[in-house]
Amino acid sequence: AQSVTQLGSHVSVSEGALVLLRCNYSSSVPPYLFWYVQYPNQGLQLLLKYTSAATLVKGINGFEAEFKKSETSFHLTKPSAHMSDAAEYFCAVDKAGTALIFGKGTTLSVSS
Amino acid sequence: KAGVTQTPRYLIKTRGQQVTLSCSPISGHRSVSWYQQTPGQGLQFLFEYFSETQRNKGNFPGRFSGRQFSNSRSEMNVSTLELGDSALYLCASRGGAGADYEQYFGPGTRLTVT
Repeated sequence: AQSVTQLGSHVSVSEGALVLLRCNYSSSVPPYLFWYVQYPNQGLQLLLKYTSAATLVKGINGFEAEFKKSETSFHLTKPSAHMSDAAEYFCAVDKAGTALIFGKGTTLSVSS
Repeated sequence: KAGVTQTPRYLIKTRGQQVTLSCSPISGHRSVSWYQQTPGQGLQFLFEYFSETQRNKGNFPGRFSGRQFSNSRSEMNVSTLELGDSALYLCASRGGAGADYEQYFGPGTRLTVT
């Protein structure tokens, strides 16, 4: 069965610091992986996706993620945090092209 | 291009009542999925409709049902509401079947059951 684990329910960084949000997946077949962001009282916005093309995926707002099959990881990074990045982030794996299986989410706080 | 719209945005119901939520996908999208988001269980898949047919279903009781119309608009219904049904219900649409097509989410309907 496919599953997603996000390490750390809450991550705090200073403005300008590196952002690293961790995601490990469990999948019996090559997965499609996604990172979504959710701002308060809003839906989910797609940041980036991995579909087995390139292992380093660039997304919106300066975020990127690297797919590492040997580590079953798909960590999200951003070189320099901005106050506007404060939100909840979800890693997800696609199940057979129908359902998204989400991790529990990581809340990112950014302090000035 | 308009995004995914969900109505209503907020809803308060009493235990035992039923509720219907509506989702209009992005124009041209044929797949609509529904998710429930709660603080305790996180984001959980309810069901997906593609071309008016339910293609996949999550692990929810039969009180949760849905349908899709010929214009791809979808509704989900929850009967005999329980306090635990209080949640944010998110709808997502995509252009076709398969993971190649990204899912675009609406703003959600916040359901409170009292």
